Amino acid sequence: EAGVVQSPRYKIIEKKQPVAFWCNPISGHNTLYWYLQNLGQGPELLIRYENEEAVDDSQLPKDRFSAERLKGVDSTLKIQPAELGDSAVYLCASSLVPGSNEQFFGPGTRLTVL
Amino acid sequence: QKEVEQNSGPLSVPEGAIASLNCTYSDRVSQSFFWYRQYSGKSPELIMSIYSNGDKEDGRFTAQLNKASQYVSLLIRDSQPSDSATYLCAVFNTDKLIFGTGTRLQVFP
Repeated sequence: EAGVVQSPRYKIIEKKQPVAFWCNPISGHNTLYWYLQNLGQGPELLIRYENEEAVDDSQLPKDRFSAERLKGVDSTLKIQPAELGDSAVYLCASSLVPGSNEQFFGPGTRLTVL
Repeated sequence: QKEVEQNSGPLSVPEGAIASLNCTYSDRVSQSFFWYRQYSGKSPELIMSIYSNGDKEDGRFTAQLNKASQYVSLLIRDSQPSDSATYLCAVFNTDKLIFGTGTRLQVFP
């Protein structure tokens, strides 16, 4: 069974540029999460989707971050414009049932903003 | 007070020893507890889950939970150099998984 797929794996951009990350969850997993992980820290939830609905986006900085999951399968997280402090690893995770506590992570996208 | 607290380490143990990793959490209503292993440059991997007080064993790993003390631990028996990684404690609370900052474990030959 394929795991959570993310792309790109690495991204280097200059500040003020836009950037987008893509995630395809494990087949059949209806719940999808985007996390942010800074160096030396644990992952922090940005947004959670149940199918195509964003059920928890309270930690998403909405002035510059946006996300979508139009067909309830794959998802895109966008930052526009990027700031130096956005340099981090962006992790996508999925779980089988709504609000499930067993979450499986993708490989992440390491973003560097110069 | 952080919701989930872990000693950042590093915790250094010799090969073959028992590594003991500890975690405390602040919200008494938390119901589910997890340990994730994260190798450098990789994503977190779920290795143990525990839902009730007591011990849960899986191979060389034992998770221990004490809800009265709001304490969860992970024991790794017969530690191997391949166990060297950061171990993240995570607590499920109101539909959200809250992670600690992780403890870095180093197992030396």
